[in-house]
Amino acid sequence: GAGVSQTPSNKVTEKGKYVELRCDPISGHTALYWYRQSLGQGPEFLIYFQGTGAADDSGLPNDRFFAVRPEGSVSTLKIQRTERGDSAVYLCASSVDRGGGNEQFFGPGTRLTVL
Amino acid sequence: AQSVSQHNHHVILSEAASLELGCNYSYGGTVNLFWYVQYPGQHLQLLLKYFSGDPLVKGIKGFEAEFIKSKFSFNLRKPSVQWSDTAEYFCAVSWRSGGGADGLTFGKGTHLIIQP
Repeated sequence: GAGVSQTPSNKVTEKGKYVELRCDPISGHTALYWYRQSLGQGPEFLIYFQGTGAADDSGLPNDRFFAVRPEGSVSTLKIQRTERGDSAVYLCASSVDRGGGNEQFFGPGTRLTVL
Repeated sequence: AQSVSQHNHHVILSEAASLELGCNYSYGGTVNLFWYVQYPGQHLQLLLKYFSGDPLVKGIKGFEAEFIKSKFSFNLRKPSVQWSDTAEYFCAVSWRSGGGADGLTFGKGTHLIIQP
């Protein structure tokens, strides 16, 4: 497809469960970002990949959160032992290369609800 | 911590009114500045960006923004709004550094409603 895609679009889980959220960036984009958006807030940076490696994971809130990008394309955000406070929309973005002036193209997000 | 402030969380205007949405960021060196828009039911898309050069930047759909370095501001403007401009608007900043960490810091957003 032409844009960033994310699956699933909605995920409902129970407290304590494990979830995986997937992001397919735009083909050829080397930089990939994860953000989290809570109700009434702007997106909050979580982690940034350049290629396969996490170049900046300073936004991950704690060690329950982990993300991978093993082949430098698709990325998976993994959340262990989910808590109700993890409920949010998780956004993925990609850009053609690193460099803060490059436009980040956002996907539609995954709405995570932890009951 | 670096931060971005948007002054108005909710703005209601009539069609053809002029628009200005405020955005300020905390000091922290050289910056890249962005305005993103989210129309109802759609995902975030870029309106305009400032990287360097002319501080008055023109974007899509008649929007423009002015970078004023001395005020740490990047306000968004449009001379005459349309009903279709109803959306959530986000100001975002990335701080350039030697490591090149490029994650964006967003403001809380401004919900703009245009009344016909």
